Amino acid sequence: AQKITQTQPGMFVQEKEAVTLDCTYDTSDQSYGLFWYKQPSSGEMIFLIYQGSYDEQNATEGRYSLNFQKARKSANLVISASQLGDSAMYFCAMREPNSGGYQKVTFGTGTKLQVIP
Amino acid sequence: EAQVTQNPRYLITVTGKKLTVTCSQNMNHEYMSWYRQDPGLGLRQIYYSMNVEVTDKGDVPEGYKVSRKEKRNFPLILESPSPNQTSLYFCASSLYGQWSSGNTIYFGEGSWLTVV
Repeated sequence: AQKITQTQPGMFVQEKEAVTLDCTYDTSDQSYGLFWYKQPSSGEMIFLIYQGSYDEQNATEGRYSLNFQKARKSANLVISASQLGDSAMYFCAMREPNSGGYQKVTFGTGTKLQVIP
Repeated sequence: EAQVTQNPRYLITVTGKKLTVTCSQNMNHEYMSWYRQDPGLGLRQIYYSMNVEVTDKGDVPEGYKVSRKEKRNFPLILESPSPNQTSLYFCASSLYGQWSSGNTIYFGEGSWLTVV
């Protein structure tokens, strides 16, 4: 089974509108962390937001928020008031402990977001 | 400035010619790892290192070697590159090797490798 599933290979959103990028995860651990990264066409990976499994509040960072639904095992990224510069690939990732107590990080396949003027 | 530095950023090489992609971080991080990114597959982990002299295989280690002789450096070695290793490679690091949920992952800028 996929550890991280991003079901939307590509999405369009009108400038200034909000958009939700889906991410579901699969783990049997109680302790884990969820990340979102942005990758513009230049290729670098930009950290956006983090949610810990024990965090009771949804994480927010400026225009980014993470809609964390633990029972559903979903960690959707919400971008409010989209800007042209938000056009990029977005990756969801999960960190969990491996059998040795070290960290194991798994990425989804990504969602390509295009913001339309 | 805190950073992860990879070199080379862009490389075209021929099948079978050994190459090394260097990775260095200046944050005294314990944990370092290598990923490759391919269209439709996202980022897949090649190898990771929990600390000096401690490395382990990720999900796609075949055809790659790594070493961690110093804390700051984690080179990726392709002993005999093949065209299916054409990819975008990322080095990443984080403070702790041991599990810690809030450990931010820092990425290098990526290395575009083409094997012909």
